[in-house]
Amino acid sequence: EIGLTQSPGTLSLSPGERATLSCRASQSVTSSSLAWYQQKPGQAPRLLIYGASSRATGIPDRFSGSGSGTDFTLTISRLEPEDFAVYFCQQYGSSPGTFGQGTKVEIE
Amino acid sequence: QITLKESGPTRVKPTQTLTLTCTFSGFSLSTSGVGVGWIRQPPGKALEWLAFIYWDDDKRYSPSLKSRLTITKDTSKNQVVLTMTNMDPVDTGTYYCAHRATGSGSGWDRGYFDYWGQGTLVTVSS
Repeated sequence: EIGLTQSPGTLSLSPGERATLSCRASQSVTSSSLAWYQQKPGQAPRLLIYGASSRATGIPDRFSGSGSGTDFTLTISRLEPEDFAVYFCQQYGSSPGTFGQGTKVEIE
Repeated sequence: QITLKESGPTRVKPTQTLTLTCTFSGFSLSTSGVGVGWIRQPPGKALEWLAFIYWDDDKRYSPSLKSRLTITKDTSKNQVVLTMTNMDPVDTGTYYCAHRATGSGSGWDRGYFDYWGQGTLVTVSS
């Protein structure tokens, strides 16, 4: 199965700053089948990005995804107060689908 | 509006069987292409996909847990039930059900999730 490594584990930033989160796969992800989710304490995960770069319905354009093969990136162009949360990636190109361990974006 | 909610015991003893129910609204599991999955997250660890069930009653399981899992659906009640046998303390974690996004493609043993339940914490302890 494909392992996903997210870095950094924690990102300390201020509102208005740019956040860059990395997700690296142990093997190439088929057809860029990679999704990103946001999770806040006590809440259900929220789909942000699918197909590596397509924004899900209702997701603000400050969230963008990029990458292919084994290296993927989630960028938040300017952090809003509601963006401080945990973000995790998932590959669904090979079975079984697997998830990264998450990156926490916290207020500095 | 799609919503899902998990229910079941918060604590089970080792060797017991866990039964979790996912009650959903906003879609029908009798509609072609629709699927529901279960995912779990041990404390401090990564999420792990467990199983899918589809509109046509096709069922897919994680290879590492296949022998312990059963997924079923009750279309009339808008519910999906997951059972996991022989529970162990390592199975402690939050269990989520989620709607499989229709854009996931035709690989029925994988997919991404566009709507999730809030999750239910299950502790395995004697």
